[in-house]
Amino acid sequence: DVKVTQSSRYLVKRTGEKVFLECVQDMDHENMFWYRQDPGLGLRLIYFSYDVKMKEKGDIPEGYSVSREKKERFSLILESASTNQTSMYLCASSPQPGQGNSNQPQHFGDGTRLSIL
Amino acid sequence: AQSVSQHNHHVILSEAASLELGCNYSYGGTVNLFWYVQYPGQHLQLLLKYFSGDPLVKGIKGFEAEFIKSKFSFNLRKPSVQWSDTAEYFCAVNSMNTGFQKLVFGTGTRLLVSP
Repeated sequence: DVKVTQSSRYLVKRTGEKVFLECVQDMDHENMFWYRQDPGLGLRLIYFSYDVKMKEKGDIPEGYSVSREKKERFSLILESASTNQTSMYLCASSPQPGQGNSNQPQHFGDGTRLSIL
Repeated sequence: AQSVSQHNHHVILSEAASLELGCNYSYGGTVNLFWYVQYPGQHLQLLLKYFSGDPLVKGIKGFEAEFIKSKFSFNLRKPSVQWSDTAEYFCAVNSMNTGFQKLVFGTGTRLLVSP
């Protein structure tokens, strides 16, 4: 079974801090994703990566950056946290379509509930 | 812009009632369609998916969904809900236009089933 592990379930940080959210997957998936989930807005894609050291902006990348130094790990970075970044953050992974795993769904971690004070 | 619409934001049902949650998308061309569920305190789980073939797909826990291409819809159904179906349900779509890598989610529907 695919396991996507996010390092923290709950995190409280202060405005202006640099915040790191870590995500690890154990299925050798090429694609990894960071979403934020807010009531009434569903899941919105922040960044995704389809290979090591590759990244692409999602729909709401402002205020965030990412790092993918190893295939299994995808980090989300809030360079200078602000209160409007208080949210639930979800990491997901999926295999690359067409490599014997075409059209596979994304698998999600448990989420990190981040509060910025 | 490509989008996914879930028109019901909150649904309240009694046990044994039938359920239908609407999902419409605005993509053209080839699409893959998904329903995910998030039970309280748990991670998102895949309920069912449509890639091709029979437009009526069966998922886990007695859920099914029907892909109607002419209506750009992928509604989720269950004939008789249980209290344990209380959760938030998300419709999601990816398409050939995005290389089938990016999922776009609807805003979700919170279902409350009263015993």
